[in-house]
Amino acid sequence: DTGVSQDPRHKITKRGQNVTFRCDPISEHNRLYWYRQTLGQGPEFLTYFQNEAQLEKSRLLSDRFSAERPKGSFSTLEIQRTEQGDSAMYLCASTALASSSYEQYFGPGTRLTVT
Amino acid sequence: GQSLEQPSEVTAVEGAIVQINCTYQTSGFYGLSWYQQHDGGAPTFLSYNALDGLEETGRFSSFLSRSDSYGYLLLQELQMKDSASYFCAVRDKGRSGANNLFFGTGTRLTVIP
Repeated sequence: DTGVSQDPRHKITKRGQNVTFRCDPISEHNRLYWYRQTLGQGPEFLTYFQNEAQLEKSRLLSDRFSAERPKGSFSTLEIQRTEQGDSAMYLCASTALASSSYEQYFGPGTRLTVT
Repeated sequence: GQSLEQPSEVTAVEGAIVQINCTYQTSGFYGLSWYQQHDGGAPTFLSYNALDGLEETGRFSSFLSRSDSYGYLLLQELQMKDSASYFCAVRDKGRSGANNLFFGTGTRLTVIP
């Protein structure tokens, strides 16, 4: 257990529905990252926050995806109008500082299945 | 953008040594990290190289050559529990100028008795 928690661990939804995932990073960590991982692939960067500011989003991130970190603590990732291609593991990670971004602490992930 | 290449699969015998190579292309390179991921688990940090040379952490070592855009992870005295996927990840400037990690597709290591 790294200290990063994610909820729910599994989510099954029908195509077209909206889903929201939550990530609670290690409490003193300022940076929070979201990744998507499909079978046989590495984690794909989606977006990251420095405190409450969202500093970068992947160009691959569809407009259906939005993330927030309203008080610089927990973060939510919402997917609107889900598609079958959104089925993946969604991972959250955190680090204390930008200078330590090489060592990220990952949560257990939320596995999304879109039917 | 960033691109990384790793072998997709490696098989090695328990007690042996295995090397997993990684070549990368990126514009704002800071360093190379290595992560381990067991099936159903989350990636966990193993090692990081910002400068050329070898970093040793117990049974695991990692090497970087910035001029060759190349690195490797060396696992010694292999144990069955080392069977997992191993990812190299470049620490990169990113579009915003900040530090992000971009992962390769991973190498699945199978340790056999």
